[in-house]
Amino acid sequence: GDSVTQMEGPVTLSEEAFLTINCTYTATGYPSLFWYVQYPGEGLQLLLKATKADDKGSNKGFEATYRKETTSFHLEKGSVQVSDSAVYFCALISNDMRFGAGTRLTVKP
Amino acid sequence: GAVVSQHPSRVICKSGTSVKIECRSLDFQATTMFWYRQFPKKSLMLMATSNEGSKATYEQGVEKDKFLINHASLTLSTLTVTSAHPEDSSFYICSANRLVVGQETQYFGPGTRLLVL
Repeated sequence: GDSVTQMEGPVTLSEEAFLTINCTYTATGYPSLFWYVQYPGEGLQLLLKATKADDKGSNKGFEATYRKETTSFHLEKGSVQVSDSAVYFCALISNDMRFGAGTRLTVKP
Repeated sequence: GAVVSQHPSRVICKSGTSVKIECRSLDFQATTMFWYRQFPKKSLMLMATSNEGSKATYEQGVEKDKFLINHASLTLSTLTVTSAHPEDSSFYICSANRLVVGQETQYFGPGTRLLVL
């Protein structure tokens, strides 16, 4: 069945460091791919998405490119801030929705 | 690892009837559970935050009288779709927050696919 594998955390970075959170998937067909963010005590918020191969999703300085050849959708940000501290979930939608396990990011001043 | 179950996994009902979906945390207590709705090929939409022992907090635009949420215990939250309509057909996902060493970790249920005829 469809699945998402996400880089395990926790990830701790200093402010202004470069962030990469790896995400790979297996799916039949052509899924849409998403990154969600969850702040403490809140529900998921959509961060960005890509619906077809080579699409790049971007939002708030975060980017991810849909790579069909490597079945990946890695999340990147060039300079993280303390306010980016949260849990990040990679997800796909094909027939059903599947989530990665989540990666906790802590950014220190 | 922690497991969250949902029941039923699929349900077909007639328009006008009510459908109850259960979300259970199987091996941990969850003071907070979330209910999401996902339309085909579209993103997840947060419907409400379910808190054990208190009223759910609904997101803007979600009808609280139509989508009744009850969080009766630390391991069970239910979503009841009342007077179901074909437009309510969707994929409903719950998640449960587990507090581990002072940090929250969210675990997702497998989802419930609802089809209203």
